[in-house]
Amino acid sequence: AQSVAQPEDQVNVAEGNPLTVKCTYSVSGNPYLFWYVQYPNRGLQFLLKYITGDNLVKGSYGFEAEFNKSQTSFHLKKPSALVSDSALYFCAVKTGNQFYFGTGTSLTVIP
Amino acid sequence: EAQVTQNPRYLITVTGKKLTVTCSQNMNHEYMSWYRQDPGLGLRQIYYSMNVEVTDKGDVPEGYKVSRKEKRNFPLILESPSPNQTSLYFCASSFFGNEKLFFGSGTQLSVL
Repeated sequence: AQSVAQPEDQVNVAEGNPLTVKCTYSVSGNPYLFWYVQYPNRGLQFLLKYITGDNLVKGSYGFEAEFNKSQTSFHLKKPSALVSDSALYFCAVKTGNQFYFGTGTSLTVIP
Repeated sequence: EAQVTQNPRYLITVTGKKLTVTCSQNMNHEYMSWYRQDPGLGLRQIYYSMNVEVTDKGDVPEGYKVSRKEKRNFPLILESPSPNQTSLYFCASSFFGNEKLFFGSGTQLSVL
């Protein structure tokens, strides 16, 4: 069965500090990997994707993600967190024509 | 403005009363899909469509139907809703091969 795991329900970080939101996956084949962000009462918004190539992917709003094939991980990172980054973050994989999402990590950036 | 439009935004209904949630996109996307979001479970794909008249089951299709008669529209049909279908529903679309999903604002459904 395909699965995406986000081991932390909640991540708190001080403003200006680096942040990491973790994601691991277990799917067959070579999946496409994504991060999406959800603000309150809104739909999900695309942040970045990895399909092939460089293991470090840069995306919107200064976010980046590191793909590690041996650990089947795709962690989201940002060098310096902003209060406005506080939101719900979802990791997702696409294999074949189907998408699988993690359970989400709530990020709170403390001023 | 490029967007995915879902209606209604909120819906309260009773067990067994058929309902339809509409989804429309104005970006000429081939791929459209429906998800439900539940606490602790994240988003789970219900159905997807690769193009007009081409639909397929996602992870949790039981109790749902879809149709894709036009490229822009992808309605979600609950023919006999039950309380366990109370959830937040999202429609999303993308160009096939681009993989970046555009999401609607969501439909909060409560089945009493």
